[in-house]
Amino acid sequence: QVQLVESGGGVVQPGRSLRLSCAGSGFTFSRYALQWVRQAPGKGLEWLAGISHDGGYKYYTDSVKGRFTISRDNSNNTVYLQLNSLRSEDTAEYYCARAPGGLDYWGQGTVVTVSS
Amino acid sequence: DIQMTQSPSSLSASVGDTVTITCRASQNIRNYLSWYQKKPGKPPNLLISAAYNLQTGVPSRFSGAATGSGTDFSLTISSLQPEDSATYYCQENDSAPYTFGQGTKLEIK
Repeated sequence: QVQLVESGGGVVQPGRSLRLSCAGSGFTFSRYALQWVRQAPGKGLEWLAGISHDGGYKYYTDSVKGRFTISRDNSNNTVYLQLNSLRSEDTAEYYCARAPGGLDYWGQGTVVTVSS
Repeated sequence: DIQMTQSPSSLSASVGDTVTITCRASQNIRNYLSWYQKKPGKPPNLLISAAYNLQTGVPSRFSGAATGSGTDFSLTISSLQPEDSATYYCQENDSAPYTFGQGTKLEIK
Protein backbone atom coordinates (compact mmCIF):
# COMPACT_ATOMS: atom_id res chain seq x y z
CA GLN A 1 0.00 0.00 0.00
CA VAL A 2 1.06 3.58 -0.60
CA GLN A 3 2.91 5.08 2.34
CA LEU A 4 4.64 8.38 2.98
CA VAL A 5 6.59 8.80 6.20
CA GLU A 6 7.98 12.14 7.29
CA SER A 7 10.86 12.63 9.70
CA GLY A 8 13.26 15.33 10.82
CA GLY A 9 10.99 17.58 12.82
CA GLY A 10 11.89 18.89 16.25
CA VAL A 11 12.54 21.96 18.36
CA VAL A 12 14.91 24.50 16.85
CA GLN A 13 15.98 28.03 17.70
CA PRO A 14 15.03 30.97 15.50
CA GLY A 15 17.46 31.47 12.64
CA ARG A 16 18.58 27.86 12.62
CA SER A 17 17.97 25.17 9.99
CA LEU A 18 16.26 21.81 9.76
CA ARG A 19 15.86 19.22 7.02
CA LEU A 20 12.67 17.28 6.73
CA SER A 21 12.55 13.96 4.91
CA CYS A 22 9.64 12.05 3.44
CA ALA A 23 10.15 8.43 2.44
CA GLY A 24 7.72 6.87 0.01
CA SER A 25 6.86 3.22 -0.54
CA GLY A 26 4.20 1.11 -2.21
CA PHE A 27 4.25 3.04 -5.48
CA THR A 28 6.65 4.00 -8.27
CA PHE A 29 8.11 7.02 -6.54
CA SER A 30 9.85 8.45 -9.60
CA ARG A 31 6.57 8.79 -11.52
CA TYR A 32 4.92 11.25 -9.14
CA ALA A 33 5.20 14.90 -8.24
CA LEU A 34 5.31 15.56 -4.52
CA GLN A 35 4.37 18.53 -2.38
CA TRP A 36 4.81 19.86 1.15
CA VAL A 37 1.95 21.40 3.13
CA ARG A 38 1.92 22.67 6.69
CA GLN A 39 -0.62 23.54 9.35
CA ALA A 40 0.30 25.94 12.11
CA PRO A 41 -1.47 25.54 15.47
CA GLY A 42 -5.06 26.70 15.17
CA LYS A 43 -4.62 27.69 11.52
CA GLY A 44 -5.57 26.31 8.14
CA LEU A 45 -3.61 24.33 5.61
CA GLU A 46 -0.81 26.20 3.86
CA TRP A 47 0.75 24.91 0.65
CA LEU A 48 4.53 25.34 0.73
CA ALA A 49 6.41 23.71 -2.13
CA GLY A 50 6.20 21.17 -4.90
CA ILE A 51 8.60 19.21 -7.08
CA SER A 52 8.03 17.41 -10.37
CA HIS A 53 8.54 13.68 -10.76
CA ASP A 54 12.10 14.06 -11.98
CA GLY A 55 13.06 17.05 -9.85
CA GLY A 56 13.28 19.30 -12.89
CA TYR A 57 10.61 21.72 -11.71
CA LYS A 58 10.29 23.18 -8.25
CA TYR A 59 7.65 25.57 -6.94
CA TYR A 60 7.31 27.57 -3.74
CA THR A 61 4.85 29.84 -2.06
CA ASP A 62 6.15 33.38 -1.57
CA SER A 63 6.39 33.17 2.21
CA VAL A 64 9.10 30.49 2.04
CA LYS A 65 10.82 31.32 -1.24
CA GLY A 66 14.53 31.79 -0.63
CA ARG A 67 14.38 30.11 2.81
CA PHE A 68 13.01 26.64 2.03
CA THR A 69 14.34 24.26 -0.62
CA ILE A 70 12.60 21.17 -1.92
CA SER A 71 14.57 18.32 -3.47
CA ARG A 72 14.23 14.62 -4.11
CA ASP A 73 16.32 11.48 -4.46
CA ASN A 74 14.44 9.00 -6.62
CA SER A 75 17.06 6.32 -6.02
CA ASN A 76 16.12 6.40 -2.33
CA ASN A 77 12.42 7.21 -2.78
CA THR A 78 12.76 10.30 -0.62
CA VAL A 79 11.74 13.93 -0.91
CA TYR A 80 13.28 16.59 1.28
CA LEU A 81 12.41 20.04 2.53
CA GLN A 82 15.34 22.10 3.75
CA LEU A 83 14.18 24.80 6.16
CA ASN A 84 16.60 27.69 6.68
CA SER A 85 16.40 30.93 8.67
CA LEU A 86 13.53 29.53 10.69
CA ARG A 87 11.09 31.90 12.36
CA SER A 88 8.54 31.42 15.10
CA GLU A 89 5.78 31.56 12.49
CA ASP A 90 7.23 28.42 10.87
CA THR A 91 6.06 26.42 13.87
CA ALA A 92 3.66 23.89 12.40
CA GLU A 93 3.00 20.31 11.48
CA TYR A 94 4.56 19.59 8.10
CA TYR A 95 3.10 17.06 5.68
CA CYS A 96 4.35 15.63 2.44
CA ALA A 97 1.84 14.42 -0.10
CA ARG A 98 1.74 12.68 -3.46
CA ALA A 99 0.47 14.95 -6.18
CA PRO A 100 -0.96 13.37 -9.32
CA GLY A 101 -3.41 16.28 -9.33
CA GLY A 102 -5.18 16.44 -6.02
CA LEU A 103 -3.03 15.32 -3.09
CA ASP A 104 -4.14 11.71 -2.87
CA TYR A 105 -1.79 10.26 -0.24
CA TRP A 106 -0.34 12.08 2.76
CA GLY A 107 2.17 11.28 5.44
CA GLN A 108 1.25 11.47 9.10
CA GLY A 109 3.19 14.70 9.51
CA THR A 110 6.23 15.87 11.44
CA VAL A 111 6.14 18.74 13.92
CA VAL A 112 8.54 21.66 13.77
CA THR A 113 8.68 24.01 16.73
CA VAL A 114 10.75 27.19 16.42
CA SER A 115 11.47 28.58 19.84
CA SER A 116 14.34 30.04 21.78
CA ASP B 1 -1.07 33.94 -7.51
CA ILE B 2 -4.59 32.52 -7.45
CA GLN B 3 -6.68 33.37 -4.39
CA MET B 4 -9.23 30.88 -3.09
CA THR B 5 -12.20 32.21 -1.13
CA GLN B 6 -14.11 29.57 0.79
CA SER B 7 -17.40 30.04 2.61
CA PRO B 8 -18.83 29.78 5.14
CA SER B 9 -15.99 29.64 7.64
CA SER B 10 -18.12 27.50 9.93
CA LEU B 11 -21.51 25.89 10.02
CA SER B 12 -23.59 23.71 12.25
CA ALA B 13 -26.05 21.11 11.04
CA SER B 14 -27.91 18.06 12.26
CA VAL B 15 -27.59 14.41 11.40
CA GLY B 16 -29.44 13.78 8.15
CA ASP B 17 -29.16 17.36 6.88
CA THR B 18 -27.56 18.44 3.63
CA VAL B 19 -24.90 21.16 3.61
CA THR B 20 -23.02 22.97 0.85
CA ILE B 21 -19.61 24.63 1.05
CA THR B 22 -18.49 26.96 -1.69
CA CYS B 23 -15.09 27.93 -3.02
CA ARG B 24 -14.33 30.74 -5.47
CA ALA B 25 -11.10 31.11 -7.39
CA SER B 26 -9.78 34.53 -8.35
CA GLN B 27 -9.27 33.32 -11.92
CA ASN B 28 -10.24 30.42 -14.15
CA ILE B 29 -8.72 27.19 -12.82
CA ARG B 30 -10.31 24.91 -15.43
CA ASN B 31 -11.95 22.63 -12.83
CA TYR B 32 -8.58 21.79 -11.27
CA LEU B 33 -10.07 21.89 -7.81
CA SER B 34 -9.82 19.41 -4.96
CA TRP B 35 -11.71 19.04 -1.69
CA TYR B 36 -10.22 17.64 1.53
CA GLN B 37 -11.53 16.63 4.91
CA LYS B 38 -9.27 17.35 7.89
CA LYS B 39 -9.79 15.95 11.36
CA PRO B 40 -7.61 16.84 14.37
CA GLY B 41 -4.54 14.66 14.71
CA LYS B 42 -4.92 13.18 11.22
CA PRO B 43 -3.60 14.21 7.81
CA PRO B 44 -6.04 15.66 5.30
CA ASN B 45 -8.06 13.18 3.28
CA LEU B 46 -8.73 13.82 -0.40
CA LEU B 47 -12.46 13.61 -1.06
CA ILE B 48 -12.86 14.97 -4.57
CA SER B 49 -10.42 15.86 -7.33
CA ALA B 50 -10.92 17.75 -10.59
CA ALA B 51 -14.07 19.36 -9.16
CA TYR B 52 -16.26 16.29 -9.56
CA ASN B 53 -14.27 13.08 -9.19
CA LEU B 54 -15.10 11.24 -6.00
CA GLN B 55 -12.10 9.37 -4.63
CA THR B 56 -12.28 5.63 -4.07
CA GLY B 57 -13.70 4.81 -0.68
CA VAL B 58 -15.34 8.19 -0.14
CA PRO B 59 -19.09 7.85 0.51
CA SER B 60 -21.38 8.95 -2.30
CA ARG B 61 -22.95 11.41 0.15
CA PHE B 62 -20.10 13.70 -0.86
CA SER B 63 -20.36 15.40 -4.23
CA GLY B 64 -18.59 18.22 -6.03
CA ALA B 65 -19.86 20.68 -8.59
CA ALA B 66 -18.60 23.56 -10.67
CA THR B 67 -20.47 26.57 -11.99
CA GLY B 68 -19.37 29.66 -13.77
CA SER B 69 -16.25 30.00 -15.86
CA GLY B 70 -13.97 27.68 -13.92
CA THR B 71 -14.13 29.90 -10.85
CA ASP B 72 -17.01 28.74 -8.68
CA PHE B 73 -17.12 25.36 -6.99
CA SER B 74 -19.10 23.61 -4.31
CA LEU B 75 -18.92 20.59 -2.05
CA THR B 76 -22.24 19.11 -0.96
CA ILE B 77 -22.59 16.61 1.85
CA SER B 78 -25.96 14.96 2.09
CA SER B 79 -27.42 12.77 4.85
CA LEU B 80 -24.92 14.15 7.33
CA GLN B 81 -23.39 11.66 9.72
CA PRO B 82 -21.64 12.31 13.04
CA GLU B 83 -18.30 11.31 11.51
CA ASP B 84 -18.58 14.17 9.01
CA SER B 85 -17.61 16.59 11.77
CA ALA B 86 -14.35 18.04 10.44
CA THR B 87 -12.81 21.01 8.68
CA TYR B 88 -13.12 21.01 4.90
CA TYR B 89 -10.68 22.70 2.53
CA CYS B 90 -10.64 23.38 -1.17
CA GLN B 91 -7.37 23.61 -3.10
CA GLU B 92 -6.66 24.77 -6.61
CA ASN B 93 -4.44 22.43 -8.61
CA ASP B 94 -4.13 24.55 -11.74
CA SER B 95 -0.97 26.57 -11.15
CA ALA B 96 1.57 26.95 -8.38
CA PRO B 97 1.38 28.00 -5.62
CA TYR B 98 -1.49 25.57 -5.18
CA THR B 99 -3.44 27.61 -2.67
CA PHE B 100 -5.91 26.22 -0.17
CA GLY B 101 -9.10 27.91 0.85
CA GLN B 102 -9.39 29.16 4.43
CA GLY B 103 -11.37 26.12 5.56
CA THR B 104 -14.92 25.44 6.72
CA LYS B 105 -15.45 23.94 10.13
CA LEU B 106 -18.50 21.69 10.15
CA GLU B 107 -20.14 20.87 13.47
CA ILE B 108 -22.74 18.15 13.73
CA LYS B 109 -25.35 19.06 16.33
